[in-house]
Amino acid sequence: TQLLEQSPQFLSIQEGENLTVYCNSSSVFSSLQWYRQEPGEGPVLLVTVVTGGEVKKLKRLTFQFGDARKDSSLHITAAQPGDTGLYLCAGVKRGGSEKLVFGKGTKLTVNP
Amino acid sequence: SAVISQKPSRDICQRGTSLTIQCQVDSQVTMMFWYRQQPGQSLTLIATANQGSEATYESGFVIDKFPISRPNLTFSTLTVSNMSPEDSSIYLCSVRSDRGYGYTFGSGTRLTVV
Repeated sequence: TQLLEQSPQFLSIQEGENLTVYCNSSSVFSSLQWYRQEPGEGPVLLVTVVTGGEVKKLKRLTFQFGDARKDSSLHITAAQPGDTGLYLCAGVKRGGSEKLVFGKGTKLTVNP
Repeated sequence: SAVISQKPSRDICQRGTSLTIQCQVDSQVTMMFWYRQQPGQSLTLIATANQGSEATYESGFVIDKFPISRPNLTFSTLTVSNMSPEDSSIYLCSVRSDRGYGYTFGSGTRLTVV
């Protein structure tokens, strides 16, 4: 059973469109992180959310942590081809070790 | 945040052989993490490597198959032993970022076993 369920798994959109990626769990996390991975590279941290209900913005990207700290979302406004990549949510389970658990990822393609 | 140098970046190996992957961090870190990313899949934690003690392996991963060394606070190796085509994956090392909760990853080793 996947601890972090991420959806959708694949997303192909046109430049300028908006999109939302979801990361859900039945477990409570002390923090949730979003990474972006490009081919041939390791994941790169985009943001960490720690407080329930927290919203963070990174240019056109908006990240939200659920009130119960079990889920998170990533919203991209006016997507650009440079946003193409694999988006991964990952969490440190509350009360657990420092182990980072990853969702399966969302492969986003933004077509020009 | 820490910078990780991982090598080799890729290799093609014969089945039955072993490959050792190296990770060098530009600062001292307590724990280093080794992940596997199978084609089209997400990252799965193999083991946590602490300096001066044996690595802690996750369920489904054993020391005989994936021996790990951690001789000091800036370096670790992962060996993939007696390889089979099912071991073809990207292997990544990671450390916890000194900025807080995030983690920094090496660029990965793309292994193909033929």
